Amino acid sequence: NAGVTQTPKFQVLKTGQSMTLQCAQDMNHNSMYWYRQDPGMGLRLIYYSASEGTTDKGEVPNGYNVSRLNKREFSLRLESAAPSQTSVYFCASRRSSDEKLFFGSGTQLSVL
Amino acid sequence: GQQVMQIPQYQHVQEGEDFTTYCNSSTTLSNIQWYKQRPGGHPVFLIQLVKSGEVKKQKRLTFQFGEAKKNSSLHITATQTTDVGTYFCYGGTSYGKLTFGQGTILTVHP
Repeated sequence: NAGVTQTPKFQVLKTGQSMTLQCAQDMNHNSMYWYRQDPGMGLRLIYYSASEGTTDKGEVPNGYNVSRLNKREFSLRLESAAPSQTSVYFCASRRSSDEKLFFGSGTQLSVL
Repeated sequence: GQQVMQIPQYQHVQEGEDFTTYCNSSTTLSNIQWYKQRPGGHPVFLIQLVKSGEVKKQKRLTFQFGEAKKNSSLHITATQTTDVGTYFCYGGTSYGKLTFGQGTILTVHP
């Protein structure tokens, strides 16, 4: 039982490059989330998927797209990376909106 | 939008001292959760509070939910070096919107 698995753990991009962050959970959770964490800013929600087949914007969606590929997988795509997207990204999941979140181990992304 | 403010941003204590972090919401919350993130790690769930005035304890940690369900606190008695990390509150509303506080970074000096 791996929980929430994120890949890659580290990534360095040049400005303008694209990449996809992968997230998968094996707990049969309905809801999945993508957060970014910056010093002094806490955890800010980028996008979320309340259930398979739905996605919604969070607080800071600009520059990102998501895909809820199936119930297990929720990917985050940066189409044209910018230095402002340098951050630590966390994927999280939970069974329902009043239950606890389970987090992946994070992706440290640097955009040069 | 809903705001959850958390203070202080940083707290440095000597081992053995107490520590408290506070969360305040601009709207009434249906529940509040607390998470701990160790340095270099990911947030891990500690506890959830649902009822007005609720108090829960986990060993040296005491969690409170305010009577108006707009504020909450986490108190650690006699801190240890293992308590080092960032503590986040996470507030939920009846219409589903949830947001994290900015977190309190706790440093414990031995």
